[in-house]
Amino acid sequence: AAGVIQSPRHLIKEKRETATLKCYPIPRHDTVYWYQQGPGQDPQFLISFYEKMQSDKGSIPDRFSAQQFSDYHSELNMSSLELGDSALYFCASSLASGPLNEQFFGPGTRLTVL
Amino acid sequence: GQQLNQSPQSMFIQEGEDVSMNCTSSSIFNTWLWYKQDPGEGPVLLIALYKAGELTSNGRLTAQFGITRKDSFLNISASIPSDVGIYFCATNAGGTSYGKLTFGQGTILTVHP
Repeated sequence: AAGVIQSPRHLIKEKRETATLKCYPIPRHDTVYWYQQGPGQDPQFLISFYEKMQSDKGSIPDRFSAQQFSDYHSELNMSSLELGDSALYFCASSLASGPLNEQFFGPGTRLTVL
Repeated sequence: GQQLNQSPQSMFIQEGEDVSMNCTSSSIFNTWLWYKQDPGEGPVLLIALYKAGELTSNGRLTAQFGITRKDSFLNISASIPSDVGIYFCATNAGGTSYGKLTFGQGTILTVHP
């Protein structure tokens, strides 16, 4: 079965640079979530979109923005990168009309800021 | 925000042993989810629970949604080396934060052959 696709899988950036992470949800899923996971930490919710509209916002820095496009893929844009932004970034998708909260996660993008 | 207390933090067991881990909170939830994460990979959904008292199995895994709706446990029977990984409980914030998941701190499982 098709899963959530994230690209790139690995990304290395310098401080103050920008980064764009992409997420392609499971086909027919209409909701996308972004999570950040630091080393040895649990995933922390950043932001979510339902039908291309922002549906919820967590502890996402103002330097980050995201959107969901007409084909339901989503992009997380990160500017003025800081060393502390180094983490695994996961995208998850779900079907709003499906079982509550059954979110399926992608393999993640490992971002390293030097 | 909601805090999930997951224990134990880590477990070292022999292959063939049974494992039990749990999550508790001071808040009431409508959903409990259990995920497994391999190093450098995304969490994989193992079991989803939607009703207080519900007991659900997935192969050697069994999970229960506590009657008080404030806790859940996950059991793994007859562990095998591929059970190694980090297990997370997760739940929704409810209300307007419909889909956002909050995770426990994770249980690191090591299985010795």
